[in-house]
This record gives sequence, C-alpha cells and structure tokens, in this order.
Amino acid sequence: EAQVTQNPRYLITVTGKKLTVTCSQNMNHEYMSWYRQDPGLGLRQIYYSMNVEVTDKGDVPEGYKVSRKEKRNFPLILESPSPNQTSLYFCASSFVGRTYNEQFFGPGTRLTVL
Amino acid sequence: SQQGEEDPQALSIQEGENATMNCSYKTSINNLQWYRQNSGRGLVHLILIRSNEREKHSGRLRVTLDTSKKSSSLLITASRAADTASYFCATDATSGNTPLVFGKGTRLSVIA
Repeated sequence: EAQVTQNPRYLITVTGKKLTVTCSQNMNHEYMSWYRQDPGLGLRQIYYSMNVEVTDKGDVPEGYKVSRKEKRNFPLILESPSPNQTSLYFCASSFVGRTYNEQFFGPGTRLTVL
Repeated sequence: SQQGEEDPQALSIQEGENATMNCSYKTSINNLQWYRQNSGRGLVHLILIRSNEREKHSGRLRVTLDTSKKSSSLLITASRAADTASYFCATDATSGNTPLVFGKGTRLSVIA
C-alpha cells in the first residue's frame, strides 16, 4: 500500500531532550516536506527536500533540523525542544516534475513539550 | 511566503445544501490544489487545477480558477455530514524555487 508513515504518532517530552520524528514513504517520491499545524495558523512549512542530500528551509525552520540521506526517509530532529514547539506535525511527499503534484500526507505526530 | 487565503474561515450548512469555499492568492501560479482534513488527521488531496484550466470536476466537487482575479473556488454539491472537515488550498508559484504553500483553511460543518 502506498503510504507515508510517521513515528511516533504521539510524544510527550520535556524541554531540552533531543528527539527525532521519523518519516518514511514507499512511493519513490523525490519531494518530501515537514509541516507544523497550530490552531489559527494553518499549515506552516518547516523544511523541504527536493531530492537526496538537498534540503531547504521553509517558513519556520528555527529549532529544527532535517536530513535526507535516503530517498524514502526524511527525519525531523529537534535538538533542544521548547514548549513553543508543541504542535501537530505532518510529513508529506510527492513526485516533482516541472510543477508540484499531489501531496501524500502522513497521519501526523502530536508533540507536547513540557 | 505568499499564502493562499481561504474564505470563509468557517461555514455551517444543512445536509443536502451546497458548500462554496474560496481561495485567493497573490502570485502567478503553475497550479492550485485543494485538500481535505478530517479533525487531527493527515490532509488528503482532492483536486488539482492547472493555470490554463478554468474548471474541473470530480464527483460532487467542482473547482474553478480565475487567474485574472487570482482566485479559486471549491463547490461541494449535495453536502453530507461526512463532508464535515477542514478544506485547504495550496498554490504552486511560478517564481523561482519556491515550495507549495498552504492556506489556513475553511472549516466546514454539515449538519444532518
């Protein structure tokens, strides 16, 4: 089944404790992206990647890192989480041609930083 | 970045009525996409309309695009309670190496 998976789905952690949220897709998509969703603010892009070893900042990259060592995986790393990073996080992927195509979203990761 | 802006922010209708949501954007685009999100879940792609298209249909969905006004509308006909969700537009700008940008969404409630 074609899908985007995220782990964990729910996470409660404390300020400063490094964490990684994994994202994996099995559709051979070149493009992968991370978003955070907060009430009243919609989806805001954190980082995106057009292909392996190519990553770019989105609208809200501060406090986050990503890597794209393999085509299928795009982990989101919070080196020192803070309470303002409490949010619902989504990973998405798609093929890229001359334009952006249909995005496939993961189920989301609800993160709480205490 | 130039977000699409959905209007209205929230919409409440009776089952069987039509629901219309609008999206306005600021820059020239390659395409515009509409997505649906059930509460707390991942977004699901509904329809993509290219800049050279004016109207597109998919089942009970009808999307229009007016590039001169930089706006799009999503019409859901004969709505059902199961259509209750948030709906987002996403724009693919023509300028430079810019990512796909999502709006803040319209929350649709369909009352049975």
